[in-house]
Amino acid sequence: DIQMTQSPSSLSASVGDRVTITCRASQVISNDVAWYQQKPGKVPKLLIYAASTLQSGAPSRFGGSGSGTDFTLTISSLQPEDVATYYCQKYYSAPLTFGGGTKVEIK
Amino acid sequence: QVQLQESGPGLVKPSETLSLSCNVSGGSITSYSWSWIRQPPGRGLEWIGYIYYNGSPNYNPSLKSRVSMSVDTSKNQFSLKLNSVSAADTAVYYCARSPRYCSGGSSCRPLHFDSWGPGTLVTVSS
Repeated sequence: DIQMTQSPSSLSASVGDRVTITCRASQVISNDVAWYQQKPGKVPKLLIYAASTLQSGAPSRFGGSGSGTDFTLTISSLQPEDVATYYCQKYYSAPLTFGGGTKVEIK
Repeated sequence: QVQLQESGPGLVKPSETLSLSCNVSGGSITSYSWSWIRQPPGRGLEWIGYIYYNGSPNYNPSLKSRVSMSVDTSKNQFSLKLNSVSAADTAVYYCARSPRYCSGGSSCRPLHFDSWGPGTLVTVSS
C-alpha cells in the first residue's frame, strides 16, 4: 500500500506568516492528492483537490502544489481562523490513505 | 446541495456488530462513490471503505475481514457494518461523498471527499 508521510506534525506561526505543510507519497501518485482542514470539534472540510485546485468557497490564501510523490499545502498569510489540523489524502488507488495530520497554532 | 446524515447506535458492546446508515438528501446516490471514514478521539482520519451503487465495495485492508457496506437506492442511503468490535473501534464515524473518475470501459475510481456528514460518535463499551 502507498503511504502518505506528512510533516511537520505540528507548527506554531505568527499571524501573517507564510506556512508550508508537506506530504510525501511512498510511490508516484500523479496529482491525486487532496487537502482538508479540520477545526477543533468540526467536520473535515475540503480545501484543495487534484493537488492544486482550490475548492469552491475556500479562501484564496490556501494553495497547493506538487506532483508525483511530493506535495505541499501553503497558507500565504496565516489568519487566526486558520487554527486547525490539516490532512493530506491520496486517491490514486485504494486504500484511500490520509496523512497523519499537521496541527497549526498561532504563536 | 447534497446533505449527508449518519445514524445508528452510539454505544455498542465489545464483540458485537456496529451498524450505521448514511442518508443522502439533495442528490442522487447513483452518481457518486460513497465512503465511511472514522476518527478515534484525539487521533487522525482512517478511511474504512467505499461503495458505488452498482459496483463491488472496496475496503481498507486493515479492516477488510470485519467490514461490509451496502447501498439502498430506494432509500437513497448506504450502510456500514463492522463486526467483532473492540474498544479500538471507538471513534467518530463519518460518511462522505466522492466524485468518480472513469477511464475507458467500466474502470472507475473515487476522487476526493467533497461532502461529509456531521459524524456520529460510536463508543464500544460493556
